[in-house]
Amino acid sequence: KAGVTQTPRYLIKTRGQQVTLSCSPISGHRSVSWYQQTPGQGLQFLFEYFSETQRNKGNFPGRFSGRQFSNSRSEMNVSTLELGDSALYLCASSTGTGASGNTIYFGEGSWLTVV
Amino acid sequence: DAKTTQPTSMDCAEGRAANLPCNHSTISGNEYVYWYRQIHSQGPQYIIHGLKNNETNEMASLIITEDRKSSTLILPHATLRDTAVYYCIVNWGNQFYFGTGTSLTVIP
Repeated sequence: KAGVTQTPRYLIKTRGQQVTLSCSPISGHRSVSWYQQTPGQGLQFLFEYFSETQRNKGNFPGRFSGRQFSNSRSEMNVSTLELGDSALYLCASSTGTGASGNTIYFGEGSWLTVV
Repeated sequence: DAKTTQPTSMDCAEGRAANLPCNHSTISGNEYVYWYRQIHSQGPQYIIHGLKNNETNEMASLIITEDRKSSTLILPHATLRDTAVYYCIVNWGNQFYFGTGTSLTVIP
């Protein structure tokens, strides 16, 4: 079974630009969540989508947004990029059913550098 | 916010058991304990999880105290490839809060 796939793996953007990252979950998984990892803040939860609806959201500004498609694939977008947005962006998927005991599986991440 | 406390770093001799402790004194009755590890900026890898009972799989064992306020991840025969940051997470639902983890170094 294929794992979580994220594209692109590496990208460089300029301050003020926007970026879109893509995530394909494990087949059959309906929940997709996004995380940001930086050296200073560690791994932080961005948001989670289930059946095309945002179910949970972390404490990030509105410049960070996402969506999920009917095939469970997800994209996240960061607008008006700032230097501090340079990070590893991780996508994780799970079955998303039930309230507890769901294991999430991570992709390899997308490395974003803002210059 | 992370609800777990882990030592910042640990060393373990290759071939020996690595015992990684985690305190989660505020855990609720329906919250699971999860362990993940991250090898140098790859995506975190799932290791094991449990609710009340001890658990074992091909990678590790998870020992949860009876009061569920702490747990220990055991890697029975550590290898150099086990060098990584290990995260202990208390979770209910699909939102995971990662702490700073334990940086485990396996020494030849």
